[in-house]
Amino acid sequence: QKEVEQNSGPLSVPEGAIASLNCTYSDRGSQSFFWYRQYSGKSPELIMFIYSNGDKEDGRFTAQLNKASQYVSLLIRDSQPSDSATYLCAGGFFGANNLFFGTGTRLTVIP
Amino acid sequence: ETGVTQSPTHLIKTRGQQVTLRCSSQSGHNTVSWYQQALGQGPQFIFQYYREEENGRGNFPPRFSGLQFPNYSSELNVNALELDDSALYLCASSKGGLSPDSNQPQHFGDGTRLSIL
Repeated sequence: QKEVEQNSGPLSVPEGAIASLNCTYSDRGSQSFFWYRQYSGKSPELIMFIYSNGDKEDGRFTAQLNKASQYVSLLIRDSQPSDSATYLCAGGFFGANNLFFGTGTRLTVIP
Repeated sequence: ETGVTQSPTHLIKTRGQQVTLRCSSQSGHNTVSWYQQALGQGPQFIFQYYREEENGRGNFPPRFSGLQFPNYSSELNVNALELDDSALYLCASSKGGLSPDSNQPQHFGDGTRLSIL
């Protein structure tokens, strides 16, 4: 069973703080993980992807993957009010061509 | 570079009707995946098209069907619409290479919001 789980939140952080978003998955046959940002009423926008264990940084965003613990996270440094959105974690698994999405975590950055 | 485009943006139908949603893939992408997103949920995979053939299907009934055309654009057709079909329908395109795989980032269009009365 390929499943991706996220805490639905809401998660509130003050402006300038670090926001930490977490995701777990149930199938060890994982290949890749993707983080999407979705503003209310809009479609998901790809912001990060990670294939290997460890950290991957892109600007204010850092994705972390730990395959042994089946855990993936997204850190947002210097959070801005414009980061307020729902963040979707998605996994790609061996034997499947599609992505499996979590239900999303709603983040609010308070000015 | 042209992104993924979907039409129409909004659609209102009644139960029992049929609907066709359209998607043009991002330039350079040959694989199209369709997802259904209900309010407050993550996208659920409907099916994927690669080289004009269905290449994987989620847990959706046969009244959900699709096509892919030689220019990689795609259609999603839903027959006998039900109230539960009300959702945001998302099309995502990706590069398939010799064969599609879930390592490739998928880029979404703006979606079609379908309301069933």
